[in-house]
Amino acid sequence: NAGVTQTPKFQVLKTGQSMTLQCAQDMNHEYMSWYRQDPGMGLRLIHYSVGAGITDQGEVPNGYNVSRSTTEDFPLRLLSAAPSQTSVYFCASSYSWGAAETQYFGPGTRLLVL
Amino acid sequence: AQTVTQSQPEMSVQEAETVTLSCTYDTSESNYYLFWYKQPPSRQMILVIRQEAYKQQNATENRFSVNFQKAAKSFSLKISDSQLGDTAMYFCAFMFYGGATNKLIFGTGTLLAVQP
Repeated sequence: NAGVTQTPKFQVLKTGQSMTLQCAQDMNHEYMSWYRQDPGMGLRLIHYSVGAGITDQGEVPNGYNVSRSTTEDFPLRLLSAAPSQTSVYFCASSYSWGAAETQYFGPGTRLLVL
Repeated sequence: AQTVTQSQPEMSVQEAETVTLSCTYDTSESNYYLFWYKQPPSRQMILVIRQEAYKQQNATENRFSVNFQKAAKSFSLKISDSQLGDTAMYFCAFMFYGGATNKLIFGTGTLLAVQP
């Protein structure tokens, strides 16, 4: 198993550009989520999904869009990048939701918006 | 709303010694879980240990153990026989049990340096 994979590892964008951060897992996990990590603030939940076709907003969803067409993939789209979206983005997955399933994190994508 | 506080931004310990990282949280919920995650320089988030709030017994995982004080809303991590590979950022996290999401609420982290 590759676990949770994320691409790209690092990306530089200009303000206003759009891009998609990819996340995939091969563990047949129902629950997937996106967090962003900013200095001095820990990780904060952006969006999450409890299964294919079902997504919902987390704590900081503005400026981001998600969809979940398959169990394996959960891409995060930046619609119009802003410098405030400079951060490290983590994708996480767990077997199910509503219980304390261990969440497995991807290696992160570092995004710099100029 | 739930909050998690880690009051020690940085800590240092000598190799083979013991160190304790502090974490307090605030919640009105009774069913929840607490976690410690480790983030080494590679940035990979790794689960170290977890504690179910309904269990009185403190969780242990090899050299890692917790001191869970539910009434005081305290959840500290003790690392025994510290190793150089323990150098990392450590995050305390809270998760409400039974909700529609597995949302983890993280503290701001404690950067631990293990000195040779």
